[in-house]
Amino acid sequence: EVQLVESGGGLAQPGGSLTLSCAASGFTFSSYWMSWVRQAPGKGLEWVANIKDDGSEKYYVDSVKGRFTISRDNAKNSLYLQMNSLRVEDTAVYYCGCMVRREAFDIWGQGTMVPVSS
Amino acid sequence: DVVMTQSPLSLPVTLGQPASISCRSSQSLVHSDGNTYLNWFQQRPGQSPRRLIYKVSNRDSGVPDRFSGSGSGTDFTLKISRVEAEDVGVYYCMQSIYWPWTFGQGTKVEIK
Repeated sequence: EVQLVESGGGLAQPGGSLTLSCAASGFTFSSYWMSWVRQAPGKGLEWVANIKDDGSEKYYVDSVKGRFTISRDNAKNSLYLQMNSLRVEDTAVYYCGCMVRREAFDIWGQGTMVPVSS
Repeated sequence: DVVMTQSPLSLPVTLGQPASISCRSSQSLVHSDGNTYLNWFQQRPGQSPRRLIYKVSNRDSGVPDRFSGSGSGTDFTLKISRVEAEDVGVYYCMQSIYWPWTFGQGTKVEIK
C-alpha cells in the first residue's frame, strides 16, 4: 500500500524546536520530489517546502526561510522537517506529501499537529 | 509570489446539480516546457488534502469523471457535473510553476 505517515508533532514553545518525520512506503521514495504543506486551525492550505528526489534542491515559503530545514534520507525512505525558532503563527497541522506535477501521482499523509504556545 | 484568487468562497449546491469554481492567477501558469501547472485539491471534513486535477484538466487516479478542469493562462475552472454528498468539503486551486507554490483561499462546497 502506498502510504505516508507523519510523526513528531506535539506542543512546542515559542522559540523552541521540533523535528517532524514522514515515513514513506509502497513506492520508490528516492525517485520523487517531496513536500510539506501546513494548515493552521480553521484556515486554508499553505505550501511550506519542497525537496528534490536526491536532496540537491530545496525550496521554502518566505515565512519559514532560515528557520525550517527540509531533508530526506532515501536509504530510510524518510522525509524530515527541522523547525527552529518556532512562532505562535507556525501552529498548524503539517502534512507531508508527494505530488508529481506532470503525472497522476499524489499521496498525502494524515498530518501531525504542531501547537506552538507558552 | 503568485496570488491565486478563487470564487466563490462558499458554494451551496443541491444534490445532483452542477457546481463550478473559478480560480485566477496573478501570473500566467504556462511553463516554458509547454505545460500549465494548475492543480485542484479536495479536502473533505477532517481529512487530508487530495489532488483531483493536475495540469489544468487531467484527473488523478481514482477521481470520478464528474470532476473536470478547464482553462488557460491565468483563468481556470473546476466543474462538478452532478454534486454528490461525498463531494462536500473545501476545494483549492494551486499553482506549481513558481516558487513558492501557492494555494487559493479555498471554496467551501456544501449541500443546500
